[in-house]
Amino acid sequence: GQQLNQSPQSMFIQEGEDVSMNCTSSSIFNTWLWYKQDPGEGPVLLIALYKAGELTSNGRLTAQFGITRKDSFLNISASIPSDVGIYFCAGPSNAGGTSYGKLTFGQGTILTVHP
Amino acid sequence: NAGVTQTPKFQVLKTGQSMTLQCAQDMNHNSMYWYRQDPGMGLRLIYYSASEGTTDKGEVPNGYNVSRLNKREFSLRLESAAPSQTSVYFCASSEVRTGLFTDTQYFGPGTRLTVL
Repeated sequence: GQQLNQSPQSMFIQEGEDVSMNCTSSSIFNTWLWYKQDPGEGPVLLIALYKAGELTSNGRLTAQFGITRKDSFLNISASIPSDVGIYFCAGPSNAGGTSYGKLTFGQGTILTVHP
Repeated sequence: NAGVTQTPKFQVLKTGQSMTLQCAQDMNHNSMYWYRQDPGMGLRLIYYSASEGTTDKGEVPNGYNVSRLNKREFSLRLESAAPSQTSVYFCASSEVRTGLFTDTQYFGPGTRLTVL
């Protein structure tokens, strides 16, 4: 089945530092999504990417859809304490044929920001 | 506007007990999903419902059953709980318009289940 591999698995940074994380797949995706999960909450969509090479920003967050369509990157600039959480990449799941909006998730990158 | 709600928030079961996790959405979405989250594994799809009256298996359906009671509600049942089902369970919903993959999935706050 489809697998998404995220790295790094965890990051410990100082407030103000920039953060980079990535997600790779063994198969081609035509959509890449980045979600954030705050402690004790459900995931929330941050950025959606629909075209190879696309670069999209949302405030201090920037994500890119890799040109091979097998990877994606998320950068956070000037981190702040509220950036703490788990960041997931996700893409359409083809399990069972039709998508119906099903998603495959990476295993997540745990981000800790020290004030 | 509550979005996606889940009950209960926490639950402890003994092996072999049964329970139903409840989920409801008030966004008039067609599609609903149940995921489980385990450390280092991300979120894995258990079951989904593309529309009212239909349900299908996801990646890890064994040991679970679901019911799409109406457009708003999608429940997950554990008939005979096992320690391997200790996890955090999330319900989600999305619109999924034809030809447009990725309408946002909205997640509930989760149910933290421990099976002893």
